[in-house]
Amino acid sequence: QSALTQPASVSGSPGQSITISCTGTSSDVGYQNQVSWYQHFPGKVPKLIIYEVTNRPSGVSDRFSGSRSGNTASLTISGLQTEDEAHYYCCSYTTGSTLVFGGGTKVTVL
Amino acid sequence: QVQLQQSGPGLVRPSQTLSLTCAISGDSVSNNGATWNWIRQSPSRGLEWLGRTYYRKSRWLTDYAVSFRGRIIISPDTSRNLVSLHLNYVTPDDTAVYYCARDPPMFWSAFDFWGQGTKVTVSS
Repeated sequence: QSALTQPASVSGSPGQSITISCTGTSSDVGYQNQVSWYQHFPGKVPKLIIYEVTNRPSGVSDRFSGSRSGNTASLTISGLQTEDEAHYYCCSYTTGSTLVFGGGTKVTVL
Repeated sequence: QVQLQQSGPGLVRPSQTLSLTCAISGDSVSNNGATWNWIRQSPSRGLEWLGRTYYRKSRWLTDYAVSFRGRIIISPDTSRNLVSLHLNYVTPDDTAVYYCARDPPMFWSAFDFWGQGTKVTVSS
């Protein structure tokens, strides 16, 4: 199972919106509504920010939103803030009853 | 509130077995809707799912990432309410921070609670 494909880095200015893509196949991202996203600060525990493609857990800012088109899922961060500077990972269930992460995207706030 | 407390050595010799435990509080390892996962993170590979165990229809099931099959065992301990990871024949490439994480009944394939992480170095 190959890792899902994410851009290595994405950057934006405060207040802007950025989108991180997560590309897989019909055997994972495009298979069921089981795509999640995580925010990870170095030295900290990853935090769930999106589950089941579009849903936000309680307490997660509504500046984070998820979507999917075909075999590509996306995470959009609206109104970018300096505190959003972190690594972001997508994760998907697969037809092999396993899970697979993307390679991760470093978000930089300019 | 669910808490996952990891324990295990931070240094493992090459070709030996990496063994970690994840003690669960606020939930049961036998929860008939949750799965209990092991995930690792390294600078070179980012987050990597290793595998999971879960209880369904009166039996224990496991799923493992293809790349680890043959040298990984994830098992529950119902008497101590914990999950264990055993990774055999480790190499320096297995150096990483290892996490246990819960995928709860109310979500599909999403990890809501994580252990604190255990930094494991494989070196002689």
